[in-house]
Amino acid sequence: DGGITQSPKYLFRKEGQNVTLSCEQNLNHDAMYWYRQDPGQGLRLIYYSQIVNDFQKGDIAEGYSVSREKKESFPLTVTSAQKNPTAFYLCASRSILGQAGPGELFFGEGSRLTVL
Amino acid sequence: AQKITQTQPGMFVQEKEAVTLDCTYDTSDPSYGLFWYKQPSSGEMIFLIYQGSYDQQNATEGRYSLNFQKARKSANLVISASQLGDSAMYFCAMREGGYTGRRALTFGSGTRLQVQP
Repeated sequence: DGGITQSPKYLFRKEGQNVTLSCEQNLNHDAMYWYRQDPGQGLRLIYYSQIVNDFQKGDIAEGYSVSREKKESFPLTVTSAQKNPTAFYLCASRSILGQAGPGELFFGEGSRLTVL
Repeated sequence: AQKITQTQPGMFVQEKEAVTLDCTYDTSDPSYGLFWYKQPSSGEMIFLIYQGSYDQQNATEGRYSLNFQKARKSANLVISASQLGDSAMYFCAMREGGYTGRRALTFGSGTRLQVQP
């Protein structure tokens, strides 16, 4: 079945460590996105990519980095520079060109990061 | 300024009754889309319904309908015949710039709906 796979589902990290969250999609979507969600709040955009080898900062990119070397993969690295990294991270994708419909985002199941 | 405002942090509804979740938005772009998503306690985001800024009719999807009032910049979600499984967080979101708009969706802060038996 087509979908978006995020791993790991739960991750614990010590302060000062970098951690990479994986996001893989087999929907053949062009655009991919990373959002952060804090308890009781909405989603805030970290980074997005509309094409391979290109990505753009979102609203809260500081302390995060991404890469887009393959169409199906968009990993997010939470660096030690991110001051408050404990959060729920959601990856999403959508098709941009040549598709009917509203172009809604399809989401993975999320990764919950806790910094100890 | 907030682009998407959801003023109801929490709502209660009796099973089988209808409920309206409020959403107002702010944009100067003539071409935009409005989305509603449901987030159960498990965390995944489930797409419910979409309304384009040029759509003449209010969107409907099964028990979900969108009350789109363009002049008031509101896009309220109506859930008819509530079920216990409707208990979840509900997010309103907007994409500016039309279908191929560069930006991702901007989300509101959400409304937690609890359906009571």
